[in-house]
Amino acid sequence: NAGVTQTPKFRILKIGQSMTLQCTQDMNHNYMYWYRQDPGMGLKLIYYSVGAGITDKGEVPNGYNVSRSTTEDFPLRLELAAPSQTSVYFCASSYTHTEAFFGQGTRLTVV
Amino acid sequence: GQQVMQIPQYQHVQEGEDFTTYCNSSTTLSNIQWYKQRPGGHPVFLIQLVKSGEVKKQKRLTFQFGEAKKNSSLHITATQTTDVGTYFCAGPDAGNNRKLIWGLGTSLAVNP
Repeated sequence: NAGVTQTPKFRILKIGQSMTLQCTQDMNHNYMYWYRQDPGMGLKLIYYSVGAGITDKGEVPNGYNVSRSTTEDFPLRLELAAPSQTSVYFCASSYTHTEAFFGQGTRLTVV
Repeated sequence: GQQVMQIPQYQHVQEGEDFTTYCNSSTTLSNIQWYKQRPGGHPVFLIQLVKSGEVKKQKRLTFQFGEAKKNSSLHITATQTTDVGTYFCAGPDAGNNRKLIWGLGTSLAVNP
């Protein structure tokens, strides 16, 4: 099992550029999440989804968009990147609100 | 809103010493989960506690869930350098159990 796969692992963006962070899980989990983690800090929820076609905002959704067209995929879109979006992004999935499996993370720098 | 607090924020210990981190929720939790994140890594699930007063052990790690299901602790006996990392607790949001509320974590450093 691959678990949760995130791509890319690293990315440098210029201010104003856009990009999509990819997340795929092969565990048939309904719940998927996007978190950001700033240095030395905890996890902040950006968006989450409880199934295909259903998404909802977390604590810090501004500047981001998501879609969930399939159970497996939950891409995160950054529009008009800003330095404040420099962070490590983690995608996670779970069967319900229990054990969450995390991807390896995407380290994003906006310059 | 619901909050999950963790103390201490940081802890330095000598290898072989014990370590405890505490997690306190402002509301009753249906379950509490513990995760470990190694430096530069991603959070990895350790355990879930569900029952009031539950105690679970994983080798040198002991997890407890309080009687009121509002607090929890993780105790590591005789720390090793492999225990280095940040330990997070998390519980379902009482208003929306589709989301987890996370503590800010306790970072453990172990001096060999």
